Amino acid sequence: GDSVTQMEGPVTLSEEACLTINCTYTATGYPSLFWYVQYPGEGLQLLLKATKADDKGSNKGFEATYRKETTSFHLEKGSVQVSDSAVYFCALTFGNQFYFGTGTSLTVIP
Amino acid sequence: NAGVTQTPKFQVLKTGQSMTLQCAQDMNHEYMSWYRQDPGMGLRLIHYSVGAGITDQGEVPNGYNVSRSTTEDFPLRLLSAAPSQTSVYFCASSPSGRNEQFFGPGTRLTVL
Repeated sequence: GDSVTQMEGPVTLSEEACLTINCTYTATGYPSLFWYVQYPGEGLQLLLKATKADDKGSNKGFEATYRKETTSFHLEKGSVQVSDSAVYFCALTFGNQFYFGTGTSLTVIP
Repeated sequence: NAGVTQTPKFQVLKTGQSMTLQCAQDMNHEYMSWYRQDPGMGLRLIHYSVGAGITDQGEVPNGYNVSRSTTEDFPLRLLSAAPSQTSVYFCASSPSGRNEQFFGPGTRLTVL
């Protein structure tokens, strides 16, 4: 069945460091892919999305490219800030169901 | 717009009690869903609905019931609470199953 596997955390980085969170997926068709972010005590918010192969989603300095050949959708940011500390979820949807990864906790220290 | 609202924010139940978690959205979205979030397991889909009068099971439906009598509301019922249902529950809505979902703030449920 459809599923998402993402890099386990927690991840701790210094401010201005580069970030990559790996995400790979398994799907029978051509899913839409998403990254969501969850700040402490809150619900999930959409960070970025891509709906077809080779699409690049971007928002707030974060980027991810839909790679059909490697079934991946890695999240990247060139310079993280303390305010980026949160839990990040990779997700896919195909049909009427969403599938989420287990989440990667990121802590950015000054 | 209030977006997706959930009540209550916190709830403590005893084993065997029943209760309903409320979810409402004011965005006229057809698609609504319920998830539970447990440490190390991400979000798992409990039930979803593609429109008023239509519901379907997700990955972990046992012990939960839903109904969708209006576009706006999608309540989740726990029939006989068990400690394994201790979790954080999120409701979400979307224009369709392939679009981004908008999440409510969550309900933290503890079953003793």
